[in-house]
Amino acid sequence: GAVVSQHPSWVICKSGTSVKIECRSLDFQATTMFWYRQFPKQSLMLMATSNEGSKATYEQGVEKDKFLINHASLTLSTLTVTSAHPEDSSFYICSAQGGGYNEQFFGPGTRLTVL
Amino acid sequence: DAKTTQPTSMDCAEGRAANLPCNHSTISGNEYVYWYRQIHSQGPQYIIHGLKNNETNEMASLIITEDRKSSTLILPHATLRDTAVYYCIVNTGNQFYFGTGTSLTVIP
Repeated sequence: GAVVSQHPSWVICKSGTSVKIECRSLDFQATTMFWYRQFPKQSLMLMATSNEGSKATYEQGVEKDKFLINHASLTLSTLTVTSAHPEDSSFYICSAQGGGYNEQFFGPGTRLTVL
Repeated sequence: DAKTTQPTSMDCAEGRAANLPCNHSTISGNEYVYWYRQIHSQGPQYIIHGLKNNETNEMASLIITEDRKSSTLILPHATLRDTAVYYCIVNTGNQFYFGTGTSLTVIP
């Protein structure tokens, strides 16, 4: 299957700062990328869908001004958590779809801890 | 919202087949059934997907009932490394909505 990477693997930041997470498709062109959030002992929750060159579509209840998504190329999408607070601490996972694949390929996730 | 129902947890003896059921009674004609698994603190791993016919790959087999209202993922010879949460997802187009999944524990 295709490979998706995320950077950083984990990040600790102070409350009020912004954090950027990168998601890259390494061996295929991802026309669509997705961002999920997972709290401890819970399932993945879809946050937003982004198509290359277009604005992201956010799921209900997800603040678009707080979670900024950029998908400027077919291999890179970024999620910026702005003015992070402790309640934003979570496991953020991206996935990518495209290159002739119907399935989504997931990155390894980024663990964000906001102090 | 997730359109699937799975048992919360299951155990399986090492070396035996693990059969994980999934109900998707409201599935539409053009919706695929996908299976992923997630090992603790990692991203989900793709296993298999199908529309109507049974599917098999190097990881697992997927059996879909004729009315498509349920399916079963079969891991033919479970190993300790198969311990994970297994998610069954019904999908058309893009978005995946994850349910609670089945936590499979493979016992030595």
